[in-house]
Amino acid sequence: KQEVTQIPAALSVPEGENLVLNCSFTDSAIYNLQWFRQDPGKGLTSLLLIQSSQREQTSGRLNASLDKSSGRSTLYIAASQPGDSATYLCAVRDNAGNMLTFGGGTRLMVKP
Amino acid sequence: EPEVTQTPSHQVTQMGQEVILRCVPISNHLYFYWYRQILGQKVEFLVSFYNNEISEKSEIFDDQFSVERPDGSNFTLKIRSTKLEDSAMYFCASSEPGNHQPQHFGDGTRLSIL
Repeated sequence: KQEVTQIPAALSVPEGENLVLNCSFTDSAIYNLQWFRQDPGKGLTSLLLIQSSQREQTSGRLNASLDKSSGRSTLYIAASQPGDSATYLCAVRDNAGNMLTFGGGTRLMVKP
Repeated sequence: EPEVTQTPSHQVTQMGQEVILRCVPISNHLYFYWYRQILGQKVEFLVSFYNNEISEKSEIFDDQFSVERPDGSNFTLKIRSTKLEDSAMYFCASSEPGNHQPQHFGDGTRLSIL
């Protein structure tokens, strides 16, 4: 059974810092990995999707990497801003089906 | 940008009552999903739906749960006899056909069972 873990659970940084969020998964037989942002009391906003054949994806200040063989992904946020404060979730889709398996999230606070 | 919309945003129901949560997926999407998130816990998969039938379901999705696409736009989750432990945020999601498409989520319905 796929297990997804995110470290750290919470992170507080000053504005302007570059930061890395980590995601690990136990079964490397995945179709893709998706990073989401969740604001308090809100839904999940899809940030990036990396296919199993890709090494990284970029969108603006966000860069996500994937090392499928080692079961790891990172989300790099450049020049962090207070508006980046949110919980970041990673989720993997296994080869076996359509479901996403989620990690517990990293709660990010960027202080002005 | 097209969105997944869910109603109501908050539902309060007495234990034992039936509840229906509603979702309007993105219009050209063909795969539909329900997930839930109990307060302080991970988002968990419940069920996926394609071509008017369930394509996959988790252990959570027992006989108390059902899904339906009653018309061309709505996708519903019904819980027949709610329990206290059904209290959670319920998210609907949809995706285009194909194995490599992202899932797009709604803002969720917070279900509170009293």
